Amino acid sequence: DAKTTQPPSMDCAEGRAANLPCNHSTISGNEYVYWYRQIHSQGPQYIIHGLKNNETNEMASLIITEDRKSSTLILPHATLRDTAVYYCIVRVATGTASKLTFGTGTRLQVTL
Amino acid sequence: GAVVSQHPSWVICKSGTSVKIECRSLDFQATTMFWYRQFPKQSLMLMATSNEGSKATYEQGVEKDKFLINHASLTLSTLTVTSAHPEDSSFYICSAPSRINQPQHFGDGTRLSIL
Repeated sequence: DAKTTQPPSMDCAEGRAANLPCNHSTISGNEYVYWYRQIHSQGPQYIIHGLKNNETNEMASLIITEDRKSSTLILPHATLRDTAVYYCIVRVATGTASKLTFGTGTRLQVTL
Repeated sequence: GAVVSQHPSWVICKSGTSVKIECRSLDFQATTMFWYRQFPKQSLMLMATSNEGSKATYEQGVEKDKFLINHASLTLSTLTVTSAHPEDSSFYICSAPSRINQPQHFGDGTRLSIL
């Protein structure tokens, strides 16, 4: 699976949009971009994933650049409960279940 | 939605004892489950892939005789830490996809402390 690079930490004011970047310059054509987050002392929570089109769900939006070498997770109105470590993972999603390789992620701190 | 349940959520035991952790898929069948370990302030590290009806696949450096995995049914995988020692103290997390090509769902983890 392609390696990803994320900033180690970010701050965001409550109510503002949180934009979390991820570089995946070696991504292959059949690899998806997945985002998970881990709130302290809990298991990771799935947020969103995409292949090449931008995606939006009730939690967030995922913007993938045209060359697919980077992406941005957008939390439109961050709240204190969004404080967590956010992981960007790139992996193939074909055939049987494939494992996830977690990097170091971005620690997002949402403040008042 | 798909839910993965882990039990126990927290366990403390003496060095030398064996500890079993259960991972259940509550509303879907999981032919494959994954076991991760996370040390404080570190990321999740995959330990092994649990396959229903067959042997687990272990990642490099993970002792299969130390961490016994059993996936006897489509909704249950167990991880047994045998003869646990303080260095085995960690946060153990399991996950499973609800369907092929679907995102994995994670349990809430088990915090293991070996005294």
